[in-house]
Amino acid sequence: EAQVTQNPRYLITVTGKKLTVTCSQNMNHEYMSWYRQDPGLGLRQIYYSMNVEVTDKGDVPEGYKVSRKEKRNFPLILESPSPNQTSLYFCASSLRTFGELFFGEGSRLTVL
Amino acid sequence: AQTVTQSQPEMSVQEAETVTLSCTYDTSESDYYLFWYKQPPSRQMILVIRQEAYKQQNATENRFSVNFQKAAKSFSLKISDSQLGDAAMYFCAYRSSPMEYGNKLVFGAGTILRVKS
Repeated sequence: EAQVTQNPRYLITVTGKKLTVTCSQNMNHEYMSWYRQDPGLGLRQIYYSMNVEVTDKGDVPEGYKVSRKEKRNFPLILESPSPNQTSLYFCASSLRTFGELFFGEGSRLTVL
Repeated sequence: AQTVTQSQPEMSVQEAETVTLSCTYDTSESDYYLFWYKQPPSRQMILVIRQEAYKQQNATENRFSVNFQKAAKSFSLKISDSQLGDAAMYFCAYRSSPMEYGNKLVFGAGTILRVKS
């Protein structure tokens, strides 16, 4: 089944404790991206990647890192999480830099 | 930068009736795409309908249709014969030129749709 898989789906952590949210797609998609969803703000792009080893900042990249060492994986790294990073995170991918975006099921992150 | 505005935080509709969700956007571009996504309580993002700006004809997908007014920068979603399963958060989204920004979507704040039985 074609899908975008995120882990963990839920996480409660404390300020400053490094964490990684993994994202993997099995559709051989070139393009992958991360969004965060906050009440009243909708979804906002954090980072995106047009292909392996090619990443760039989205609209809200502060406090996040990404890497794209393999085509299928695009992890989101929070080096030192803070409470303002409490949010619902979505990974999304598409075959090319255009075309339908396929979203993962979301990861609910709470930073205390 | 492009912005998308959904002015209705919440809407309610009676089952089997019709409801329209509003969306306006701001852009200086002439070529772009517009989307409506549905997010049920499961949090899954489901593409409902898409509209290419260069097409004058309004997109339709079964009970879902849009009213695309390019000059007014308006993109409303009409849901006919509303069903309980339509209850969800609905997001309007804009996509700019893919060569410049990749496949980036700019989302509105969302509208919660409640369906009454």
